[in-house]
Amino acid sequence: EDQVTQSPEALRLQEGESSSLNCSYTVSGLRGLFWYRQDPGKGPEFLFTLYSAGEEKEKERLKATLTKKESFLHITAPKPEDSATYLCAVRSNYGGATNKLIFGTGTLLAVQP
Amino acid sequence: DGGITQSPKYLFRKEGQNVTLSCEQNLNHDAMYWYRQDPGQGLRLIYYSQIVNDFQKGDIAEGYSVSREKKESFPLTVTSAQKNPTAFYLCASSAGRQGTSYEQYFGPGTRLTVT
Repeated sequence: EDQVTQSPEALRLQEGESSSLNCSYTVSGLRGLFWYRQDPGKGPEFLFTLYSAGEEKEKERLKATLTKKESFLHITAPKPEDSATYLCAVRSNYGGATNKLIFGTGTLLAVQP
Repeated sequence: DGGITQSPKYLFRKEGQNVTLSCEQNLNHDAMYWYRQDPGQGLRLIYYSQIVNDFQKGDIAEGYSVSREKKESFPLTVTSAQKNPTAFYLCASSAGRQGTSYEQYFGPGTRLTVT
């Protein structure tokens, strides 16, 4: 069964203190790994899609990377406005050719000034 | 502005009543989805539709029903058969069969409270 595990569950950083969030996955044929940001009480906001090992995507202070077993979301010199829950999801071959995504439980990031 | 709208933002119902949550998109996307989010759990798929007049059950469809009569609209009905309906409900859409991008775009959510 396809599975996505995110760690840590929660992370507290000081402003400017760089770190990484982890998303490990087991899927029957990865067809895309997705990162989202979710603010409290709001819908997730799409950040990145990664399709193959070695691929990297960047947006401001965020960089997502992908290996055959996991993805990292690197946050460089974070600011308080980066505080949010970061969700990881995968699309696989499981269940046929659908667009279903399987989500992890997220990492709650708090950046203190 | 293209996007997904969900209404209402907050919804309160008495136990035993059916309630319908609205979801509309103007992104011209083929595929639409309903998720439920509970504290400490990942998003769980309730129903999805890859094309108009067609939909499939997700992982937790019991106690829910949907319709997809128009490309833009995918309403979700929470029936009295759903044992724990209080949750945050999220609607999403994706290009689906139109193209090669599969990321889903989410609406702002509806928080349903049943007492």
